[in-house]
Amino acid sequence: GAVVSQHPSWVICKSGTSVKIECRSLDFQATTMFWYRQFPKQSLMLMATSNEGSKATYEQGVEKDKFLINHASLTLSTLTVTSAHPEDSSFYICSARGRESREQYFGPGTRLTVT
Amino acid sequence: EDQVTQSPEALRLQEGESSSLNCSYTVSGLRGLFWYRQDPGKGPEFLFTLYSAGEEKEKERLKATLTKKESFLHITAPKPEDSATYLCAVQAYGQNFVFGPGTRLSVLP
Repeated sequence: GAVVSQHPSWVICKSGTSVKIECRSLDFQATTMFWYRQFPKQSLMLMATSNEGSKATYEQGVEKDKFLINHASLTLSTLTVTSAHPEDSSFYICSARGRESREQYFGPGTRLTVT
Repeated sequence: EDQVTQSPEALRLQEGESSSLNCSYTVSGLRGLFWYRQDPGKGPEFLFTLYSAGEEKEKERLKATLTKKESFLHITAPKPEDSATYLCAVQAYGQNFVFGPGTRLSVLP
């Protein structure tokens, strides 16, 4: 149980374009989803938290107009990187937590490369 | 401010050589301490949740313990497939996870 998927697993896009990453909880209802960013050999940096049906809460320093998060249902959250630039290249990982759970279960991650 | 440190930064073990990883934390009101394993290029895999000092949990060759200031992840007779980065995270009540920097474990055959 507690499986989280992400799509795509990797994506290459050109500078100035937008990219959407999907995160799905496959076997449980995720009342809260989290989006993290991870640079090589570094730990996870929380970007934003979203509750189903509510606006996302962004961490300090994360541009909400650049990283659009939608948590439309109890099993799906999306992260859209708008007007991507090479510095946005990174490993993006989502996680999900059920209503009564304390644990976060992570997706496999999405490698974004902006050329 | 909640803080998490992990030591050592990297650890190389021979197969079968037991050892421990440390996670030290400062948090106001611990809701939970979490251990994850992360393989290169993949998302973290959940291992354990510890809720209060004195608690212990085991899974195969791994055993996690918790005190009021730190947690240990003991690895008994490790195998090469245990090689990964082990992440510790703490959560205070009403707050998000705070992750440590991780320990990169290499187990040599």
